[in-house]
Amino acid sequence: KAGVTQTPRYLIKTRGQQVTLSCSPISGHRSVSWYQQTPGQGLQFLFEYFSETQRNKGNFPGRFSGRQFSNSRSEMNVSTLELGDSALYLCASSSGHGDGNQPQHFGDGTRLSIL
Amino acid sequence: QKEVEQNSGPLSVPEGAIASLNCTYSDRGSQSFFWYRQYSGKSPELIMFIYSNGDKEDGRFTAQLNKASQYVSLLIRDSQPSDSATYLCAVNPPSSASKIIFGSGTRLSIRP
Repeated sequence: KAGVTQTPRYLIKTRGQQVTLSCSPISGHRSVSWYQQTPGQGLQFLFEYFSETQRNKGNFPGRFSGRQFSNSRSEMNVSTLELGDSALYLCASSSGHGDGNQPQHFGDGTRLSIL
Repeated sequence: QKEVEQNSGPLSVPEGAIASLNCTYSDRGSQSFFWYRQYSGKSPELIMFIYSNGDKEDGRFTAQLNKASQYVSLLIRDSQPSDSATYLCAVNPPSSASKIIFGSGTRLSIRP
């Protein structure tokens, strides 16, 4: 069974640009969560989607947005990029009804660097 | 008080010894508990999950849950240098709906 697939793996952008990251969950998983991880910081929760609906959102500015498609694939978008957005962005999917009782499985992440 | 707390370490353990990693959580109604391992520059990898009080063993790993004391621990027996990593504890508190809350992780170093 294929794992969570994130594309691209690496991305270099400049301040003010926007970026879209993609995540394909494990087949059959309908819950997808996004996290930001920076050196010295823990996993910072961005948002969680289940059946195309955003159910939870972390404490990030409106520049960070996401969506989920009918096939459970998800994208997140960051607009007006800032230097502080440089981070590893992780996507995780889980099975069941997305109630948080099932473990999350992470993709390899997208490493975003802002110049 | 943080929702999920872990000692950041580093925790240094000699090869072959038992490594003990601890995690406390604040929401007494939490039902699901997870341990992840994260190597430097890599994504978190699920090691264990536990739902009931007591111990759950999987190979060299044992997860222990004590809901009355609100802590969950991970024991690694016969520690190997390859176990050197950051270990993340994660909890699903009912107050957060479907969101899983991660601790900041404990850095474990196994010295030969």
